[in-house]
Amino acid sequence: GAVVSQHPSRVICKSGTSVKIECRSLDFQATTMFWYRQFPKKSLMLMATSNEGSKATYEQGVEKDKFLINHASLTLSTLTVTSAHPEDSSFYICSASGTFSDTGELFFGEGSRLTVL
Amino acid sequence: DAKTTQPNSMESNEEEPVHLPCNHSTISGTDYIHWYRQLPSQGPEYVIHGLTSNVNNRMASLAIAEDRKSSTLILHRATLRDAAVYYCILRVSGGGADGLTFGKGTHLIIQP
Repeated sequence: GAVVSQHPSRVICKSGTSVKIECRSLDFQATTMFWYRQFPKKSLMLMATSNEGSKATYEQGVEKDKFLINHASLTLSTLTVTSAHPEDSSFYICSASGTFSDTGELFFGEGSRLTVL
Repeated sequence: DAKTTQPNSMESNEEEPVHLPCNHSTISGTDYIHWYRQLPSQGPEYVIHGLTSNVNNRMASLAIAEDRKSSTLILHRATLRDAAVYYCILRVSGGGADGLTFGKGTHLIIQP
């Protein structure tokens, strides 16, 4: 199956700093990438959808100025958590879909665990 | 996406079959039934999907009711590595532009 890779897998930062998480599709072109957030023992919550070369679409309640998403190429999307605070500590997961599956099958990255001190 | 209902948790013994149910009474004609699973501290993993007919792959089988209002994911011989949260999700045909809506899923516990 298609491979999606995230980096870093774990990151610890101080409150007030910014953190960038990368999501790459390794063997296919991802026309659309999605970013999810998951708190402990909770389900995944969709944060935003990004299409290559255009602005991301954010879900209700997600601050676009805090969670900056860039999808500059068909294989790379980045999520930057700006001025991170302890409440932003979470498991961030990206997923991607390509043009090869008309049933909308998604492939997920391994996730990035952010801890803000 | 239409709503699905799954049991919160299920328990099974290693090397026995596991049947994970999912109810989706409001499914529409263009909705595919997708199953994903999430192992601890990992991103979700695609398991299987189907539309009307039963489906088999190397990971599992998907049995779809004739009226499509329910389905069952079948793990033929569970191993400890199958312990995960299993999500049943409806997705419209060609829904590649929309993110998945995850419910609470079923937490599958495998006893050795």
